[in-house]
Amino acid sequence: DTGVSQDPRHKITKRGQNVTFRCDPISEHNRLYWYRQTLGQGPEFLTYFQNEAQLEKSRLLSDRFSAERPKGSFSTLEIQRTEQGDSAMYLCASSLDDPLLPTGSNVLTFGAGSRLTVL
Amino acid sequence: RKEVEQDPGPFNVPEGATVAFNCTYSNSASQSFFWYRQDCRKEPKLLMSVYSSGNEDGRFTAQLNRASQYISLLIRDSKLSDSATYLCVVNYNQGGKLIFGQGTELSVKP
Repeated sequence: DTGVSQDPRHKITKRGQNVTFRCDPISEHNRLYWYRQTLGQGPEFLTYFQNEAQLEKSRLLSDRFSAERPKGSFSTLEIQRTEQGDSAMYLCASSLDDPLLPTGSNVLTFGAGSRLTVL
Repeated sequence: RKEVEQDPGPFNVPEGATVAFNCTYSNSASQSFFWYRQDCRKEPKLLMSVYSSGNEDGRFTAQLNRASQYISLLIRDSKLSDSATYLCVVNYNQGGKLIFGQGTELSVKP
């Protein structure tokens, strides 16, 4: 399978616990994104990486959230001291940023998501 | 003002109808524009990129108006299989940050 893989697909945890999600992007993609989506809303931007560098992080992302992409390949998103408001679908996407390609070529390919339920 | 805003839904239309979705964006420096489709409980998938001159893909036509900071998607001859949520996506300030609108739900009825 050469698509974007996310693990776990479902996570149920108690409030106050830490959780970690993993994303394996398409291998030739240099950009990796994390989004959060709740019912009836569009995906909300959390952060993105270009290779191993985290280029932007949403102001909405509290210090309980941290993301890494240590070798420019897979990425992890950790949520510490989870709260019920963190319950959502966490979506990972990857893309290929190539300056030689025309504007509009930064197309995201999403994984199936990791659904978090905080009790 | 939200960075990307879409028409509130849902849109309920009969098969064969023509339906149009609108989207506005706040950052005049944005350069990349897309429409994604999201089926219920699935991940978003690219429907089409939006180019300055407008572009068409079968029954789907996308238009961009930079002066008004406005994007549209027109679906002709709606099919039952077009039922989904349509998401407008814009890059923020020329960078790689891609912002999604809240989505517009379309339901095509027989």
